[in-house]
Amino acid sequence: GEDVEQSLFLSVREGDSSVINCTYTDSSSTYLYWYKQEPGAGLQLLTYIFSNMDMKQDQRLTVLLNKKDKHLSLRIADTQTGDSAIYFCADPGGTGGGNKLTFGTGTQLKVEL
Amino acid sequence: GAVVSQHPSRVICKSGTSVKIECRSLDFQATTMFWYRQFPKQSLMLMATSNEGSKATYEQGVEKDKFLINHASLTLSTLTVTSAHPEDSSFYICSAQRAQETQYFGPGTRLLVL
Repeated sequence: GEDVEQSLFLSVREGDSSVINCTYTDSSSTYLYWYKQEPGAGLQLLTYIFSNMDMKQDQRLTVLLNKKDKHLSLRIADTQTGDSAIYFCADPGGTGGGNKLTFGTGTQLKVEL
Repeated sequence: GAVVSQHPSRVICKSGTSVKIECRSLDFQATTMFWYRQFPKQSLMLMATSNEGSKATYEQGVEKDKFLINHASLTLSTLTVTSAHPEDSSFYICSAQRAQETQYFGPGTRLLVL
């Protein structure tokens, strides 16, 4: 089945940029998603990228997609303490925006003063 | 828009009792709802997919008699953990989806079985 991998932990200083990486195995994905989970809370959709795009920028967030290498990244510019959370990439596979999201292992981002 | 609620947010129960968790889409009609389970410091594991008016589709290894799912309307799905045991303690998260659009997630329910 689909496999989505992330590094488990990232620590950055406030004001620096954070880059969270994700690799996936299903090449039929139409979209790929990034979600944020704060402690004890559900998932918040941060952004998504169509598979025919290489890059998408949304304010402090930049998503890069390398389809050849099946590599997705999320860059957070000017990282703030409020960005501390767990970040999940998610792949819906060939169903586009629809069913059966496969989540990455999650990357815990810690922002230090 | 696209708000999903869960109730309760936290529940503590005795071993052997049953617990019902509700998932509601507040401002849209959800054709499909999903139930996930998350262990501490782990990713989300899909338990089942439910479509309004039909039986839920359970993932491999998930006991359908243990985790009863009802999706009676386009805005409400319930998960009942029957005869709960301490190993059922977990964080349960639902999501709701309209047609083939993005899934929107609820805030989760923390279940502790003593």
